[in-house]
This record gives sequence, C-alpha cells and structure tokens, in this order.
Amino acid sequence: NAGVMQNPRHLVRRRGQEARLRCSPMKGHSHVYWYRQLPEEGLKFMVYLQKENIIDESGMPKERFSAEFPKEGPSILRIQQVVRGDSAAYFCASSPREGTNTEAFFGQGTRLTVV
Amino acid sequence: GENVEQHPSTLSVQEGDSAVIKCTYSDSASNYFPWYKQELGKGPQLIIDIRSNVGEKKDQRIAVTLNKTAKHFSLHITETQPEDSAVYFCAAYYDKVIFGPGTSLSVIP
Repeated sequence: NAGVMQNPRHLVRRRGQEARLRCSPMKGHSHVYWYRQLPEEGLKFMVYLQKENIIDESGMPKERFSAEFPKEGPSILRIQQVVRGDSAAYFCASSPREGTNTEAFFGQGTRLTVV
Repeated sequence: GENVEQHPSTLSVQEGDSAVIKCTYSDSASNYFPWYKQELGKGPQLIIDIRSNVGEKKDQRIAVTLNKTAKHFSLHITETQPEDSAVYFCAAYYDKVIFGPGTSLSVIP
C-alpha cells in the first residue's frame, strides 16, 4: 500500500507562471489536506477536501490559490501568477475518514521555487 | 480557531539522555493529539498519538502524556540516539490538524 504520493517533488516557476501541485492520497483515503511550510517555519493549514467537495478553505489565500479533489484522479493545488513569496514546501496529507481523531499521513512534499 | 503552542523551540541533549517537549492547545473540543517527526527534506512522519480518553501512551522509547483539564500534552523520548535528531511537531485535531511551531532536537553523540 503506497503512501501519500506528491508530484513533482521540486518545481521551479518564473514569476507570473502557474504552479500545479498534485497529491494522490493513500489507497482507501477520501480526505485530503494541504499545508504550506515556509523555510524554518511550521506547517500552516491551507485547505481540507473530500471527493468533489471543499470542506474547509480557511487557510487559503483569497486570491490566486485554488484546490480541487475530483471524483477521479489526484487532488490539485493550483497557484496562479506565482510570486517569490509563494516559494515554500507544500505538503499534502490524507486520512481514511471524517472524524475528530483520525490519523493523517503526509506525503514528501513539493518544493516550489519561484525565480 | 485552534491554537497550539510548543516549547522549547530548540533542544540539545547528550546521547542517552531524555528529551521532553511540551505543548498547549486552546480548543477544548480537540480530542486527538498526534506527534510528527520531520527530517530534513522530508514530509512529517506520524510517530505517536494520543486520544483524549487516555492520559498516557508509550511506544518503546517514546511516550506521550495528556492533561485535558490543563490542555497540556507532552512528548518524552528516553535514551536518545543521534537518529532522533529532527524537528518534532505536536498537533491538535478537531476537524483538521493544527500544528505547533516545532522543536528542533539535536542529539549530540
């Protein structure tokens, strides 16, 4: 049973381009979370999705950022018109079910560098 | 919303000594408290967790304690080894995982 798979592992984009980060949850997991980690900092919650639904996007910047988790395929975090401040590691986690005490397992992250 | 504080931010111990990391949380509705270890360039790895219906849990050299009344929980690592060196994050979970700011642990051989 593969773990949470994120790709690409490293992504370089020029300012103004779009970045698309993909996350395939663990088999049987239908809940996905995205977190952002700036260098030397902790993990900040961005968005929580279930299949075809955004449950909580309270941590998402109001502009340029969007996320989806379609019925088929991976979850996508999309950043439009990237700026240098978007450079960070983006981590995805998945859990098997809704609930207040469910383990969440993380992928290895996508390290985005905006040049 | 939930807020998690964590202390200390850095911790150095001699190999074989114990390390203790302490966290507090704000939302009394939280009832699940995982701990993650993050090595350089990798994703967070779940190492142990505790639910609100227990006060203590142990797994080999790692133990966690929870005081729900005081909203405190702690990670204890005994007989530390160099491979324990990493950043450790506590977290509180209600409808999503909210992380503390992390503790950078260095185990000196």
